[in-house]
Amino acid sequence: QQQVKQSPQSLIVQKGGISIINCAYENTAFDYFPWYQQFPGKGPALLIAIRPDVSEKKEGRFTISFNKSAKQFSLHIMDSQPGDSATYFCAARRETSGSRLTFGEGTQLTVNP
Amino acid sequence: EPEVTQTPSHQVTQMGQEVILRCVPISNHLYFYWYRQILGQKVEFLVSFYNNEISEKSEIFDDQFSVERPDGSNFTLKIRSTKLEDSAMYFCASSADLMGGPLHFGNGTRLTVT
Repeated sequence: QQQVKQSPQSLIVQKGGISIINCAYENTAFDYFPWYQQFPGKGPALLIAIRPDVSEKKEGRFTISFNKSAKQFSLHIMDSQPGDSATYFCAARRETSGSRLTFGEGTQLTVNP
Repeated sequence: EPEVTQTPSHQVTQMGQEVILRCVPISNHLYFYWYRQILGQKVEFLVSFYNNEISEKSEIFDDQFSVERPDGSNFTLKIRSTKLEDSAMYFCASSADLMGGPLHFGNGTRLTVT
C-alpha cells in the first residue's frame, strides 16, 4: 500500500529530446506527488510537485502529468540538456503533518550532447 | 537560499561502535526527518520529528536508532551499535508547513561501517 513504482530504471536521451519517467502508486490516501532531482554526492532537490486536484503542472521545461483514476503520474522533461543528467525520484505522501515521503526506485537519466 | 547542513560528510566507523550524525535544519522549519539511501537504491524514510517528539517512524528505525534536538538548531541521529548493513547515505530533511509541504534535504552523511 505504501509503494511507489518507478520506471524506467535508466534512460538515455539525446540533447533536445523529451525524457519521460513514469510512476504508479497504490495508496489512494496519497495527495502530494513531488519529483526530486539528485546529482552525485548531493541530496535530493525538489524539482516540481503536483496535487491530485489538477491533471497537469508545468514549470519551465518540466511537466508533471497526473492520472488519478489510473493512480499514475509522470515527469516530462522537454528539450533535455546534458545538465539534466541526474537521478530522478518520484515520491508521494499524505499531506498531513509530519507524514513520510515514500520514494520510487529512481531513474538515472543521461542526456547525450 | 537557506539550506539544510549535515556533518560530517563522511563517517567511517567500526562495527559495534556508536555514531552520531548531525544536522542543522533550515531555521524556521518545524518538521525534521531522517532518510537513508543504500548505494544504488531508493531513498527510505527513517523517522519524522516535531515538537521534540517522534511523529512517525519506519520499521527500519529500531531500538538502535534514536533522534534528538539537543538545542534550538541541531538535530541528531544516533546509531547505538552499528552494523555492516547500516552503511548508507543518511539524509536529514526539514519542512516548514504544519500540513506537510516540500521537504528540503541536506547533502547527506556517507556512513561506512567496517
